Amino acid sequence: KNQVEQSPQSLIILEGKNCTLQCNYTVSPFSNLRWYKQDTGRGPVSLTIMTFSENTKSNGRYTATLDADTKQSSLHITASQLSDSASYICVVSVDSSYKLIFGSGTRLLVRP
Amino acid sequence: DTGVSQDPRHKITKRGQNVTFRCDPISEHNRLYWYRQTLGQGPEFLTYFQNEAQLEKSRLLSDRFSAERPKGSFSTLEIQRTEQGDSAMYLCASSFGEGKGKNIQYFGAGTRLSVL
Repeated sequence: KNQVEQSPQSLIILEGKNCTLQCNYTVSPFSNLRWYKQDTGRGPVSLTIMTFSENTKSNGRYTATLDADTKQSSLHITASQLSDSASYICVVSVDSSYKLIFGSGTRLLVRP
Repeated sequence: DTGVSQDPRHKITKRGQNVTFRCDPISEHNRLYWYRQTLGQGPEFLTYFQNEAQLEKSRLLSDRFSAERPKGSFSTLEIQRTEQGDSAMYLCASSFGEGKGKNIQYFGAGTRLSVL
C-alpha cells in the first residue's frame, strides 16, 4: 500500500532555532517527492520538489533532502521565523502521473 | 496567492441541504483536481479532470457528490443532501499536463464546509 508517514506530528521551537522534519514513504513506482507548506485555513504551497536523482534541494531557508535507497526525506528549516508556523506536508508522486500520496503533515509552531 | 481561486471560502449549511463550490484554475492549466482535507490530515484525492473530461473519481466521491468542468476552465463541486461527515476543507488544484512543470499542482485556498 502506498503510504507517506511524517514525524513528528507536531513541533514547537523558539524563533531563530533550526529544526528538521522527517518523511518516510512506501510508494511505488516513485516519481518525485514534494514538500508543501500549509498555513492555517489556506491551501498547500509547494516548497521543493525532488526527483529520484536529486539528493538535496533548497528554497531559501528550507532545505530538503532525499535518500531514495532508504525512502526517506527530510526538510530542514534554518533560523526559524514566526511566519514558519504552519503544517508541512510531504507528498510523493506516483509514476510521474497526477496521483499524489500525502502525509498527514507536521504542525510546526515557532514561538518568540 | 497561487492563482487558483475558490469560492466561497466558508460555507455553513444545515444537514440535508445542497451546496456547490466553484474553482477557477490557473488559465494555462489543463488539469484540475478536487481534494478533501479534514483537520490534522493531509488532503485526500476526490476527482480529476483533464480539460473537460472527468478521468478519475475516488471511491470517497459518493453518489451525493458530483463535479463538472463544462468548458475545461472553471469547475464546480456539488454535494447533495449534506451530512455532518461532509464537514471538511475542500481544496482545488490545477496543473499542466505531464512533461511540463513536473505536474506541480497549485492549490487554491480551499472552501471550508461546516454542516450543522
